[in-house]
Amino acid sequence: DIQLTQSPSFLSASVGDRVTITCRASQGIDSYLAWCQQKPGKAPKLLIYAASTLQSGVPSRFSGTGSGTEFTLTINSLQPEDFATYYCQQLNTYPYTFGQGTKLEIK
Amino acid sequence: QVQLQESGPGLVKPSETLSLTCSVSGGSVSNSSSYWSWVRQAPGKGLVWIGYIYYTGSTNYNPSLESRISIASDPSKNQFSLKLSSVTAADTAVYYCAREFCNPLTCYMDSWGQGALVTVSS
Repeated sequence: DIQLTQSPSFLSASVGDRVTITCRASQGIDSYLAWCQQKPGKAPKLLIYAASTLQSGVPSRFSGTGSGTEFTLTINSLQPEDFATYYCQQLNTYPYTFGQGTKLEIK
Repeated sequence: QVQLQESGPGLVKPSETLSLTCSVSGGSVSNSSSYWSWVRQAPGKGLVWIGYIYYTGSTNYNPSLESRISIASDPSKNQFSLKLSSVTAADTAVYYCAREFCNPLTCYMDSWGQGALVTVSS
């Protein structure tokens, strides 16, 4: 299975900050990477697919880059509703796998 | 906008079979661009992909669960289902159904159900 390692696992930030989360794959996955956001008690919500394509309706402060084995999710000007857990997911090889998650907390 | 809704027992006894159904609206399980998937999340843990069924009836399962899983679809009801046999406490989780959409360039899971908590306990 392809392992996805996110860093950091926990992130403390303030409203208005810019944050970056990294996802590293144990082998190359081209651009078959998605990012999703999950709030407590809720289903994951797709933010970005194909490494850098913003899902319809997602604010433009979210952006993604990368290909191969290293990917980043950046959130510019954090808003109160952005405090959540973020997961990367690879859709290159079965079984699909997720990163362990990055919990973004309010400082 | 595709909407999905899980349903099924919230409590299953050890060694029995977990059964969940996902009802789809705003889309069709017969759509050739969609793979109808299941993902689970144990309490306080991360997301685990379980498998999918395609409109042709073909399936793909996570090898870690493959010996115990069956995913089927019912186009007449626009539903798909998950069966997980011989459950243990380790199968206690929130089970999500989701739609994986694919175009010629890429695939992504863009629609999710709200999730169904299934507890395995006697």
